[in-house]
Amino acid sequence: EVQLVESGGGVVRPGGSLRLSCAASRFNFDDYGMSWVRQVPGKGLEWVSGINWNGDSTGYADSVKGRFTISRDNAKNSLYLQMNSLRAEDTALYHCTRDVAGPHDYWGQGTLVTVSS
Amino acid sequence: EIVMTQSPATLSVSPGERATLSCRASQSVSSNLAWYQQKPGQAPRLLLYGASTRVTGIPARFSGSGSGTEFTFTISSLQSEDFAVYYCQQYYDWPPYTFGQGTKLEIK
Repeated sequence: EVQLVESGGGVVRPGGSLRLSCAASRFNFDDYGMSWVRQVPGKGLEWVSGINWNGDSTGYADSVKGRFTISRDNAKNSLYLQMNSLRAEDTALYHCTRDVAGPHDYWGQGTLVTVSS
Repeated sequence: EIVMTQSPATLSVSPGERATLSCRASQSVSSNLAWYQQKPGQAPRLLLYGASTRVTGIPARFSGSGSGTEFTFTISSLQSEDFAVYYCQQYYDWPPYTFGQGTKLEIK
């Protein structure tokens, strides 16, 4: 079955940076778009960013535009999210998802990002 | 940005009964709507896409309808494992894809 395993979360001070990674396996990674979706514990889902199969089309939520950068390395079956200028409101569990022309059909368990001084 | 509004926020239903959840879009999303189920401590799971198409393996008691701005999600006869939070999401307009705030389905 499809596997998506996120890593790179942790505690960071406001204004700091983190790079999240998602290791994908058991499917043809370069056939699919991918996204990051975050969730504050106990709250709802927020789509953060998405990227098409070859990386030449990306999109961002307004809340992260200009601060976060999504990328992928198809040779390594990996998805990334570079997060700069982090704010307290970025604190959340970040899920990597596989996309099928929009819907997210597989989700990783997430990596927790905590922005706190 | 398209705003998705789900109602009610919480729905209390007895096992074996029918549950009906609503999702409204601030503008037309055609049939580009998905429904997800999330249980505590788990990642969300895609149940329906295209407003009414079940993902492979999803039981027939889960169904969806609607197009444009008004959508309905129905569980025909609630099983114990169905009590969870349900989210709708539009994927008509990108970016961003937007989720509703969720409906918590709880045991009455």
